[in-house]
Amino acid sequence: AQSVTQLGSHVSVSEGALVLLRCNYSSSVPPYLFWYVQYPNQGLQLLLKYTTGATLVKGINGFEAEFKKSETSFHLTKPSAHMSDAAEYFCAVSRGGTSYGKLTFGQGTILTVHP
Amino acid sequence: DSGVTQTPKHLITATGQRVTLRCSPRSGDLSVYWYQQSLDQGLQFLIQYYNGEERAKGNILERFSAQQFPDLHSELNLSSLELGDSALYFCASSAPAGGYNSPLHFGNGTRLTVT
Repeated sequence: AQSVTQLGSHVSVSEGALVLLRCNYSSSVPPYLFWYVQYPNQGLQLLLKYTTGATLVKGINGFEAEFKKSETSFHLTKPSAHMSDAAEYFCAVSRGGTSYGKLTFGQGTILTVHP
Repeated sequence: DSGVTQTPKHLITATGQRVTLRCSPRSGDLSVYWYQQSLDQGLQFLIQYYNGEERAKGNILERFSAQQFPDLHSELNLSSLELGDSALYFCASSAPAGGYNSPLHFGNGTRLTVT
């Protein structure tokens, strides 16, 4: 079985500050890891994914995440927050292969950005 | 715009009723996934179809069923509705032919309210 824990249901930062959203996963097989963003009244948009290879993954909108197997973590970072980053962020894991799209999501982290 | 179209956007119905949610995947995508997002359970995978055939099942209730038609659109049927079925139902599509690791593209969801 797979699971995802997102530490902190709400994170608040000032504009221009570092964004750090924490995600830890549990998986019995090498995981495929994802970060999605959800804006109000919209669907989920893929920010970035880790499948294999380089452990530092760069995504859209200046976000990046690092896969750390020893820590079972996949934290999302952005050096400088922008007001438009305010949204809910979901970390997800899958087994890959034919189960690639069968995602197990974390509970989400709402990011608030203050001017 | 993800290219995935879900109708209707909102649905209000009474307990015990039956509803059908519709999803049109992105052009060329063969896989359709259904997810449920509720306050209690978060985002949960329900079911996947690939080119008309059921590929994977998640936490889908027996009162719920889905199918994918020859034109690749999909329908999620929810019957004997209960208050707890109130949620946002997302459809996602992926996999141009042969691509297991293609990213999921989510629609904007159908918000179901059961009264």
